[in-house]
Amino acid sequence: AQSVAQPEDQVNVAEGNPLTVKCTYSVSGNPYLFWYVQYPNRGLQFLLKYITGDNLVKGSYGFEAEFNKSQTSFHLKKPSALVSDSALYFCAVRDIGDDKIIFGKGTRLHILP
Amino acid sequence: KAGVTQTPRYLIKTRGQQVTLSCSPISGHRSVSWYQQTPGQGLQFLFEYFSETQRNKGNFPGRFSGRQFSNSRSEMNVSTLELGDSALYLCASNAGPLSGANVLTFGAGSRLTVL
Repeated sequence: AQSVAQPEDQVNVAEGNPLTVKCTYSVSGNPYLFWYVQYPNRGLQFLLKYITGDNLVKGSYGFEAEFNKSQTSFHLKKPSALVSDSALYFCAVRDIGDDKIIFGKGTRLHILP
Repeated sequence: KAGVTQTPRYLIKTRGQQVTLSCSPISGHRSVSWYQQTPGQGLQFLFEYFSETQRNKGNFPGRFSGRQFSNSRSEMNVSTLELGDSALYLCASNAGPLSGANVLTFGAGSRLTVL
């Protein structure tokens, strides 16, 4: 069965600095990987996904994620953080052989002005 | 194009009662998934329905059940409510299970409080 881990409950970054939100996964086959964001009092929104191809995936709001097969990681990154990026971020994985999408526990990102 | 609609948005129940939550997917979407969100556990997968059939099920007790209708609308039911069932219940739809890279579109959720 697939699983996903987000090792940090909370990440604090000063506005304008680069940010990284970590995610590692475990699947039996090739993964589909996703990042979603949840702003306060709103539902989850899709940010980006990795299916195949380039290891660096670009998504919404200037976010990108790097797929690393050897480290089974899919870290979310942004070169310059904005206060409006403060939210709860979820990494998710779908094993090609199993249609379930499994989410991590989430990482709360605080961007400090 | 209307998004995923969940009703009710908020509800309060007492232990031992049951509750039914409703989800209307995006028009044309035939797959509906349900998740439970709690602060300590994040999003936990409950079940997924496609064409009125449950395709996948998470690790929840039998008190949690669901169904899907011919118009793709879905309901989930929790019987004999416990305090630990207090959570945000999220519904998500996508076009169907055949394309594994489909993106989930989430509703705003139904926040259940059990007293």
